[in-house]
Amino acid sequence: EAGVTQFPSHSVIEKGQTVTLRCDPISGHDNLYWYRRVMGKEIKFLLHFVKESKQDESGMPNNRFLAERTGGTYSTLKVQPAELEDSGVYFCASSQGQQHNEKLFFGSGTQLSVL
Amino acid sequence: DAKTTQPPSMDCAEGRAANLPCNHSTISGNEYVYWYRQIHSQGPQYIIHGLKNNETNEMASLIITEDRKSSTLILPHATLRDTAVYYCIVRIHNNDMRFGAGTRLTVKP
Repeated sequence: EAGVTQFPSHSVIEKGQTVTLRCDPISGHDNLYWYRRVMGKEIKFLLHFVKESKQDESGMPNNRFLAERTGGTYSTLKVQPAELEDSGVYFCASSQGQQHNEKLFFGSGTQLSVL
Repeated sequence: DAKTTQPPSMDCAEGRAANLPCNHSTISGNEYVYWYRQIHSQGPQYIIHGLKNNETNEMASLIITEDRKSSTLILPHATLRDTAVYYCIVRIHNNDMRFGAGTRLTVKP
């Protein structure tokens, strides 16, 4: 069974450009989460989808970030326009149910560098 | 929200047991304790979780105190590949995991 996959693994863009990150959760997992780790900081929660609906987006830093999950399958996270402070590693995770004894499976992340 | 406190770093000799402590004194009755680890820049990897009872799987054992205010993750025979940052997380509700600073475990030959 395939795990959580993220694309691209690395992205280098210039300040002001747009970048779109993609996450494919484990098949059948209704819950999809985005996290990020900026340099020297802790891993921070961004948002949570249940199927195609945003359950919690309290961690989204500002309106330059837009997450979508059309059809409740894969998800995209767009940063427009990118700023220097957006550099970091963006992780996606998925879980099957919503019980708090369900473990999250993480992808390998996308390393974003904004120059 | 229940928070966790972990030592910032620990060393362990290869082949010995690694015991990683975590304090979660404000945990509530229905909150689970999870342990994840991150090796280099890979995605966090699930290790184990528990509510009240001690748990064991192929990777580790989790010992939770009777009052649930602290727990210990035990890697019974640490190898060099277990060098990583270990995160103790109390799941605050059914939505997401909140990561702290974790413990950087270094396994030495």
